[in-house]
Amino acid sequence: AQSVTQPDIHITVSEGASLELRCNYSYGATPYLFWYVQSPGQGLQLLLKYFSGDTLVQGIKGFEAEFKRSQSSFNLRKPSVHWSDAAEYFCAAGNTGGFKTIFGAGTRLFVKA
Amino acid sequence: GAGVSQTPSNKVTEKGKYVELRCDPISGHTALYWYRQSLGQGPEFLIYFQGTGAADDSGLPNDRFFAVRPEGSVSTLKIQRTERGDSAVYLCASSSTGEEGYTFGSGTRLTVV
Repeated sequence: AQSVTQPDIHITVSEGASLELRCNYSYGATPYLFWYVQSPGQGLQLLLKYFSGDTLVQGIKGFEAEFKRSQSSFNLRKPSVHWSDAAEYFCAAGNTGGFKTIFGAGTRLFVKA
Repeated sequence: GAGVSQTPSNKVTEKGKYVELRCDPISGHTALYWYRQSLGQGPEFLIYFQGTGAADDSGLPNDRFFAVRPEGSVSTLKIQRTERGDSAVYLCASSSTGEEGYTFGSGTRLTVV
């Protein structure tokens, strides 16, 4: 069955420290991959996406993600976290065309001063 | 419109009642999606439309749930004989292609008492 796994329920990092959020997928073929962020009281916002080409993709707000086929992973990274990055982050995978996207359970990021 | 609009933002209903949740997508977006998000979980796929037709409704949990998009724009998610387990945030999203990722609305928080 198709699935997206985010192993970390929550992560705490210090402001200014680097961040990596893990995501693994299980799909028959390489799916379309996405990261979304959900801030308290706000809707989900697309950070970045991948479906082909360069395996390192850049997104908004200084985030990047790397697709690793051999590990079925699509981890999200940021070199220096800001307090405003505190939110819930969702990894998602879609079938051909990107429709019917399924989401992981999310990782909540806490940022400490 | 400028974004995806969902109404109402909050709905409290009694067990057994019928509810309708409305989604107004971004103008020109042919694809529209409904998801359900329970507390502490990622969004769960319910149904998606291409134009007026439901392209995939495999996520609808049972026949109490139904969605329509009669003119290919606004969509209504209808829930009959609501149960307490239906309590969740119902999210709507739209896109012009699937691979670009989705634009989400702020959701409708449904509480069944």
